[in-house]
This record gives sequence, structure tokens and C-alpha cells, in this order.
Amino acid sequence: ETGVTQSPTHLIKTRGQQVTLRCSSQSGHNTVSWYQQALGQGPQFIFQYYREEENGRGNFPPRFSGLQFPNYSSELNVNALELDDSALYLCASSFFSGRTSTDTQYFGPGTRLTVL
Amino acid sequence: GESVGLHLPTLSVQEGDNSIINCAYSNSASDYFIWYKQESGKGPQFIIDIRSNMDKRQGQRVTVLLNKTVKHLSLQIAATQPGDSAVYFCAENGSRDDKIIFGKGTRLHILP
Repeated sequence: ETGVTQSPTHLIKTRGQQVTLRCSSQSGHNTVSWYQQALGQGPQFIFQYYREEENGRGNFPPRFSGLQFPNYSSELNVNALELDDSALYLCASSFFSGRTSTDTQYFGPGTRLTVL
Repeated sequence: GESVGLHLPTLSVQEGDNSIINCAYSNSASDYFIWYKQESGKGPQFIIDIRSNMDKRQGQRVTVLLNKTVKHLSLQIAATQPGDSAVYFCAENGSRDDKIIFGKGTRLHILP
């Protein structure tokens, strides 16, 4: 177990709705990254949060947004859900010292989102 | 990008034998590489990492080899056990925004 927790475990939404997913980072970690994993594929980087600000973003539209809180936990928000948003959403925490990061990311169990 | 769909490459290995999983990475500027194991219904689990100034690193029952000349990474698992059944992903981190880029994954199937 990594100490990274995510909620909820599973979620079913309909097209056009909005969803919020939550992540608590491992103790001692200050950075949270979010990934989308479609069935049968590797995780795709959505964005990373450090010091409560977005610190890098992958190729995802603005309707994917996030927050990081002072306790380093994080939320992923997705607006105007589309059928293709159905996936496993993973968060990973790490410690970033302020220099170029090659710090290991530890993943949570994920939230399985189904959009109908 | 190309869609792999549900058809991951599969490696079938006899229990007790050694497994070698290969990966080709894309960015010659990447300086940090990681192998993750993902079991069904779980998030990726860190196995071992290696930095670009090394060509080999050993852990408990696992060894990672890095060949920067041909941009190739491999994971060797000694004495493969049933609990090693999973999908294995190589990942690289070399971009300025520090994102980790995952490879397509290989499913390891253990034969009794």
C-alpha cells in the first residue's frame, strides 16, 4: 500500500454532468499528479499540482481542472462529461524538492468513472 | 496517437523461470525511468527505477537494464511467481514539465 487514497472508488455519471474526484497524498509528499487510464492502455498525464498551483499539463481540454489544498490533497474536476471520459482516474503523489523533479510517484487505487 | 485498445502484448512464462520484459522509450532527453506493475483493479505499483547515468540497477528479484544508445529499457524478474501476474509498464520522465510518460504495457502471464 502506498498511502495514497482516492474517493470515490466507482462513479457513474451521464453525459453533460460534472464530476469531482478526490485524492489524499502520501504523508511527506507535496505534489499530486493526475492521470487518465482508458481500458487496456497506459496512464495518460492530465496535470500536476505543486504548492497549490498547476505545475504542468498534458493534452487535456480546459474542462479538466484541479485544485490542491494546503494539506496537499487534491481534486480533479471534469465538466461537461463525454462518453470518452469513461476511464480509471489515478492520482500519484511525490515529493518535489524545488529542483528538476525525478522523484518517484506513488499511485492510489484509482476512481473508475463510467459516463453513460 | 495510435490506439492499442485491449490487445496488450503478452508474455507467458513458466513459474520459476526468469522473465524479461522489454520497452523502447521515445525521448532521448529522458533522464529517469521507472517500471510499474499494475494488477487488475489496482493502481500502478512502483517496482524499480533507474537514472540515465546508470545502465543497470538491481532490486529484490528484479533488475532493470538501460541502453541509452538504442533507447531500450528492460525489466528482468528472477524466479517468476504466480503473484507476478500483472501488466507491467515502463515510464520515462524527461520533459520540462516533469510529467511521466507511460509505455503501452506488457501483460505477464504465469504458467503453472
